Amino acid sequence: RKEVEQDPGPFNVPEGATVAFNCTYSNSASQSFFWYRQDCRKEPKLLMSVYSSGNEDGRFTAQLNRASQYISLLIRDSKLSDSATYLCVVNKGTNAGKSTFGDGTTLTVKP
Amino acid sequence: DAGVTQSPTHLIKTRGQQVTLRCSPKSGHDTVSWYQQALGQGPQFIFQYYEEEERQRGNFPDRFSGHQFPNYSSELNVNALLLGDSALYLCASSTLGVAGVYEQYFGPGTRLTVT
Repeated sequence: RKEVEQDPGPFNVPEGATVAFNCTYSNSASQSFFWYRQDCRKEPKLLMSVYSSGNEDGRFTAQLNRASQYISLLIRDSKLSDSATYLCVVNKGTNAGKSTFGDGTTLTVKP
Repeated sequence: DAGVTQSPTHLIKTRGQQVTLRCSPKSGHDTVSWYQQALGQGPQFIFQYYEEEERQRGNFPDRFSGHQFPNYSSELNVNALLLGDSALYLCASSTLGVAGVYEQYFGPGTRLTVT
């Protein structure tokens, strides 16, 4: 079993839709959590850190459930430009060392 | 403010050869991590450098080695290249974010092809 697991998708949604991704992690000692976005053949870009209380940034909302060991990302009012692969990242500490990435969930937003 | 830079952008090598990849961190960042990303997979952690020393290492053989210089830039060396080393190699530098956790910022990567 992988340390960080994501549904690979693909998720195909129309513009304006709301879409949610989940990510589960196996190490209960994990301390910090992130969502990255990666466009085809480009580098991952930090989308948002995931805080214990949950956090929102515009159309994006991230949640952490430590008891069930999963994090989620909700995208509201999807735009064409949201089409990308979304990577879940889990760290065992609060420093950046030894980050474990999921294999990503692919989202395609269609007109 | 320049972001993380990497060189070269693309590289083609032959099995058995050696390669050196370079990374300059974002201004103000002192920690550099290297990742290998195969097609269709998430990045895999290779190692991390801080204060010119390897601080943590992932599950990669000793053929993968690195170095960090006093100006925080870093190199990744891979010896005795195998076909399976073909991948996108990503460098990330990190800084403390607002929530007290370190956030990583990636360079554009070096795409290595081993033939």
